[in-house]
Amino acid sequence: DVKVTQSSRYLVKRTGEKVFLECVQDMDHENMFWYRQDPGLGLRLIYFSYDVKMKEKGDIPEGYSVSREKKERFSLILESASTNQTSMYLCASSHPSDRTYEQYFGPGTRLTVT
Amino acid sequence: EDQVTQSPEALRLQEGESSSLNCSYTVSGLRGLFWYRQDPGKGPEFLFTLYSAGEEKEKERLKATLTKKESFLHITAPKPEDSATYLCAPHEDTGRRALTFGSGTRLQVQP
Repeated sequence: DVKVTQSSRYLVKRTGEKVFLECVQDMDHENMFWYRQDPGLGLRLIYFSYDVKMKEKGDIPEGYSVSREKKERFSLILESASTNQTSMYLCASSHPSDRTYEQYFGPGTRLTVT
Repeated sequence: EDQVTQSPEALRLQEGESSSLNCSYTVSGLRGLFWYRQDPGKGPEFLFTLYSAGEEKEKERLKATLTKKESFLHITAPKPEDSATYLCAPHEDTGRRALTFGSGTRLQVQP
């Protein structure tokens, strides 16, 4: 059974802290994604990676960075957390090309920044 | 102007009461229209991809259809386990990597 796991379900951090969100997939997928989901705004893409060490900015990359050192792992980094980064963060993976958007999502991390 | 509009925002059905969810989009150069299901507290689960007007896909009690400007998700004789939020997302032919997800329709099926 395909699986995308995220390091934490719930996380509470203070403003200014550096935050790491980890995502691991066991499907040997080339593509990995980080989204945030907010009420009324839907799912928005933060960053996309199509291979190890390769990344592209999504629609809302400001305040975030990513790291992909191994194929199965994609990390989202909040360099200095702010309250407007309180959100649900979802990681996803997929095969490349025409199946890029048939994505498998993890359970999400609900981050609260106080 | 929103590129993707889903209606209704919320829908409550009795078990067995068939209905349809709508996804209207204004993107140009559609490369695909994706439907996902999301249960509370979970990530979305991929359901269907539709590529061209007139195409239909089915899965159990769900059938997705596509026209040039909208897609419908028809639910036939729903069961309580079909309760979820249904998200649609068109993919534009603009080179953007991101899908534009709609805000979803929250479906509740009562026994």
